Amino acid sequence: AQTVTQSQPEMSVQEAETVTLSCTYDTSENNYYLFWYKQPPSRQMILVIRQEAYKQQNATENRFSVNFQKAAKSFSLKISDSQLGDTAMYFCASLNYGGATNKLIFGTGTLLAVQP
Amino acid sequence: EAQVTQNPRYLITVTGKKLTVTCSQNMNHEYMSWYRQDPGLGLRQIYYSMNVEVTDKGDVPEGYKVSRKEKRNFPLILESPSPNQTSLYFCATSPLLSNQPQHFGDGTRLSIL
Repeated sequence: AQTVTQSQPEMSVQEAETVTLSCTYDTSENNYYLFWYKQPPSRQMILVIRQEAYKQQNATENRFSVNFQKAAKSFSLKISDSQLGDTAMYFCASLNYGGATNKLIFGTGTLLAVQP
Repeated sequence: EAQVTQNPRYLITVTGKKLTVTCSQNMNHEYMSWYRQDPGLGLRQIYYSMNVEVTDKGDVPEGYKVSRKEKRNFPLILESPSPNQTSLYFCATSPLLSNQPQHFGDGTRLSIL
């Protein structure tokens, strides 16, 4: 069964510093996608970044980047120059492409607090 | 503007009183899905639909029903709600078998007393 594990329930970082959120996953599929979603206090689910498993290059979106280690099945999120607006719950998720469903498998989340 | 609209956003109700949470999308997506979010458990899939009149169970379907009579709508029905269904619910949509990220509604907070 496909699983996603986030081992850090809570993290804290000072404003303008860099923080890395960890995620590991387990899948037997070759074609899959990995995502990081942000959930601020407004409860919206906002896509932060995504990575196609067949791409070796790590995805980057402005201050957000990932460290994708396919062999280790690791997908960490790095937030540079942290801002107060980055305070949120962050979910790692995986999706098997071409599978029987479009089901996203989510981790349990990491609550990030950016301190002023 | 691409939208996934859930209603209501909040609901407090009592055990056994049937309720429906609606989900509507304007992107002509074939795939629609319901998730529930609980502390320490992340989001888990309840039901999904690959197209009109095609629905199937997700990981936690007990106590829920769905229907897909129109492409744009995918209501979640709780025939006899119980307190363990108190949760935050999300509807999500995407093109079928696509690598496009899923669009989420804004969530519905249900409290069953």
